[in-house]
Amino acid sequence: SQKIEQNSEALNIQEGKTATLTCNYTNYSPAYLQWYRQDPGRGPVFLLLIRENEKEKRKERLKVTFDTTLKQSLFHITASQPADSATYLCAPLNQAGTALIFGKGTTLSVSS
Amino acid sequence: EAQVTQNPRYLITVTGKKLTVTCSQNMNHEYMSWYRQDPGLGLRQIYYSMNVEVTDKGDVPEGYKVSRKEKRNFPLILESPSPNQTSLYFCASSATLGVFTDTQYFGPGTRLTVL
Repeated sequence: SQKIEQNSEALNIQEGKTATLTCNYTNYSPAYLQWYRQDPGRGPVFLLLIRENEKEKRKERLKVTFDTTLKQSLFHITASQPADSATYLCAPLNQAGTALIFGKGTTLSVSS
Repeated sequence: EAQVTQNPRYLITVTGKKLTVTCSQNMNHEYMSWYRQDPGLGLRQIYYSMNVEVTDKGDVPEGYKVSRKEKRNFPLILESPSPNQTSLYFCASSATLGVFTDTQYFGPGTRLTVL
């Protein structure tokens, strides 16, 4: 069955450093993958989408890569700030193209 | 302002008392979906709808019903709630889903407690 894994439940880094979050998927090849940010008790908010034919996507301090050989997406936040502290979810499209499959998320804490 | 609204935001109820959580979007989106979020389990899809009168089961549909009579509304119905349905529920919508996708917009969430 399709499986999504975000390797770290929690990641603690210092302000100004680059945070790198990992998302691995198994048993299928998604047409695209999305990343969301979720703050406690609130709904997820879309950040970036990357398609299977794209290697990298950037938006301001955010960068996403998509390696279809490794079946992995990496999400980077450069020059991290305490305001970046949140849970980040990866969500590839499922094989049938009917739904996003959400990973359990990685909670990022940026300390000043 | 583009948004997805859910009501109620908080609800405490008792086992077996039917309830409905409403969801409405003002973006003319075709695709709508319901998720539940539980600690350690992440977001799991309950039901989704590709368009009016077109609904289908997600990963955890047992104990839930939905309907899509109008494009903007997608209510979630719990006919006989049980304590294992205590959770945080999110409604989401997007213009489409599939290869030509758009982003999903999430509602603010409904925290349901079933005693």
